[in-house]
Amino acid sequence: TQLLEQSPQFLSIQEGENLTVYCNSSSVFSSLQWYRQEPGEGPVLLVTVVTGGEVKKLKRLTFQFGDARKDSSLHITAAQPGDTGLYLCAGGKGSARQLTFGSGTQLTVLP
Amino acid sequence: DAGVIQSPRHEVTEMGQEVTLRCKPISGHNSLFWYRQTMMRGLELLIYFNNNVPIDDSGMPEDRFSAKMPNASFSTLKIQPSEPRDSAVYFCASSFGTDPVYGYTFGSGTRLTVV
Repeated sequence: TQLLEQSPQFLSIQEGENLTVYCNSSSVFSSLQWYRQEPGEGPVLLVTVVTGGEVKKLKRLTFQFGDARKDSSLHITAAQPGDTGLYLCAGGKGSARQLTFGSGTQLTVLP
Repeated sequence: DAGVIQSPRHEVTEMGQEVTLRCKPISGHNSLFWYRQTMMRGLELLIYFNNNVPIDDSGMPEDRFSAKMPNASFSTLKIQPSEPRDSAVYFCASSFGTDPVYGYTFGSGTRLTVV
């Protein structure tokens, strides 16, 4: 059983479109992170959110942590081919010391 | 900093052979993690170390897998004997501190193929 469920699993869109990917859990996390992984490379940290309801923006990417700290979303505005990759959410519980990763959303942005 | 360095990048070996994967974490990071990634199971934590001491190895699949961290700048993951089902991409990651809020820096991974 996956502790963190991501949806959709696969997403293929045209350049310029907007999209949202979701990360859901029945567990409460003390922090939530988003990573992007490109082919042949390891995941790279994009953002960390720690407060329920927190919203962070990174250029065209907007990240939100749910009020109850059980879910998160990533919204991309005007997607570009360079946004293509596997997007992974990861939940942290301070006492557990390690991150739990979601199953990932494979995003393809077509030119 | 050069980031987390893993070697080799690719490894092809025959079933039954011993395989050793290597990792050099970022200097100053005191937590090190070994993950395995497959299409079916995603990223799975195998083991992690804090200050060179193994803290949780519950993710290690079986006794064929072992990991060491003899000092702060080097870790190995060994599979002996290797089996085809061990084929996957193995990642090493390091982090500052014990709270996951600090985030992980991953290496580029070792793609292991056991034939």
